[in-house]
Amino acid sequence: GAGVSQSPRYKVAKRGQDVALRCDPISGHVSLFWYQQALGQGPEFLTYFQNEAQLDKSGLPSDRFFAERPEGSVSTLKIQRTQQEDSAVYLCASSLGAGTTLNEQFFGPGTRLTVL
Amino acid sequence: AQSVAQPEDQVNVAEGNPLTVKCTYSVSGNPYLFWYVQYPNRGLQFLLKYITGDNLVKGSYGFEAEFNKSQTSFHLKKPSALVSDSALYFCAVRAGTGANNLFFGTGTRLTVIP
Repeated sequence: GAGVSQSPRYKVAKRGQDVALRCDPISGHVSLFWYQQALGQGPEFLTYFQNEAQLDKSGLPSDRFFAERPEGSVSTLKIQRTQQEDSAVYLCASSLGAGTTLNEQFFGPGTRLTVL
Repeated sequence: AQSVAQPEDQVNVAEGNPLTVKCTYSVSGNPYLFWYVQYPNRGLQFLLKYITGDNLVKGSYGFEAEFNKSQTSFHLKKPSALVSDSALYFCAVRAGTGANNLFFGTGTRLTVIP
């Protein structure tokens, strides 16, 4: 079956531009997570959705970062006025149950964002 | 606060030899521990998890991990390494009920030498 997909796979933006990153989770998965992975580091949590509800956005680094999942399936991570420090791989993951269950998370291939 | 430490950035092992990738954790409450592997240009793939029960957990591709509560460790092991096991390995922890996200270590690059 299809796994988690993300688009675009690569994105180059000029400093100050807005970008939108898309995540298609596995069909039927309740939970959706966004992570940021800087070069040479492990993924760091950004935000969590349970269906369409954004239950945790404690990891979003600034108010330039915004995420939505309006119909409880596809999610978009938007970054406004991009800065060079936003350059990273953005990973999306989904899991079957609600976030407090202990199902494993399935990760997409990521979007590599480079801000010039 | 929760944290995960992977003390080795790089581990080299000869093909056919046993391998160990180390992980220690610090978390308040019950630890729920995971191992993921990342191949180039691919997403993280789940290997195994410890929730409760037997301290030795068996996972995908012949990997296993041993949970040691007294040493707060969750080392990943495999009896006989394959060249195809060469990849980046991440240990992760979730802390207790009410927590949703995973907290990852910085990763260990495993190279299996033919």
